Amino acid sequence: AQSVTQPDIHITVSEGASLELRCNYSYGATPYLFWYVQSPGQGLQLLLKYFSGDTLVQGIKGFEAEFKRSQSSFNLRKPSVHWSDAAEYFCAVGNTGGGNKLTFGTGTQLKVEL
Amino acid sequence: KAGVTQTPRYLIKTRGQQVTLSCSPISGHRSVSWYQQTPGQGLQFLFEYFSETQRNKGNFPGRFSGRQFSNSRSEMNVSTLELGDSALYLCASSSHRDRGSEAFFGQGTRLTVV
Repeated sequence: AQSVTQPDIHITVSEGASLELRCNYSYGATPYLFWYVQSPGQGLQLLLKYFSGDTLVQGIKGFEAEFKRSQSSFNLRKPSVHWSDAAEYFCAVGNTGGGNKLTFGTGTQLKVEL
Repeated sequence: KAGVTQTPRYLIKTRGQQVTLSCSPISGHRSVSWYQQTPGQGLQFLFEYFSETQRNKGNFPGRFSGRQFSNSRSEMNVSTLELGDSALYLCASSSHRDRGSEAFFGQGTRLTVV
């Protein structure tokens, strides 16, 4: 069965600093990978997705992620963090058996210091 | 285009009662998935419906059930509520039946069982 690991539960960065959130997946074939962001009391918003092709994926709000098959990783990055980026970030993998089921990691809570 | 609408936003129920949550997907979307989010277990997949048929089901007891109507609106029902059912229940809609289509999430229904 597929699984996703986000090793960092909490991360604190200063505004303007760079950010990298880690994600490792377990999947038997070419994965469909996603990063979502959740603000307090809200649903999830898609930041970016990887299906195939270019391993560096650009998303909304200045985020990007790089798919590395050899490391089973899909880390999320942003060159300069803004205070409004404080939220919880979830990495997810699409279902092996078809359909739209997503398997999520446990999430990384990002705090931004001003 | 209106987003995914979940009603009600907040709900307080007593142990042993049952509850029905509603989800209206984005117009034209035929796939609806449900997730339970708790601090301890994170985001867990409940089930997915496509064109009124359940396609995938998560590892939840039979007290959790769902259905989808011909207009793609979906409901989930939890019978004999337990304290542990307190959670944020999120609904997501997708335009296609395949695992690569983007999932758009509603703001969720916050269920509290007392």
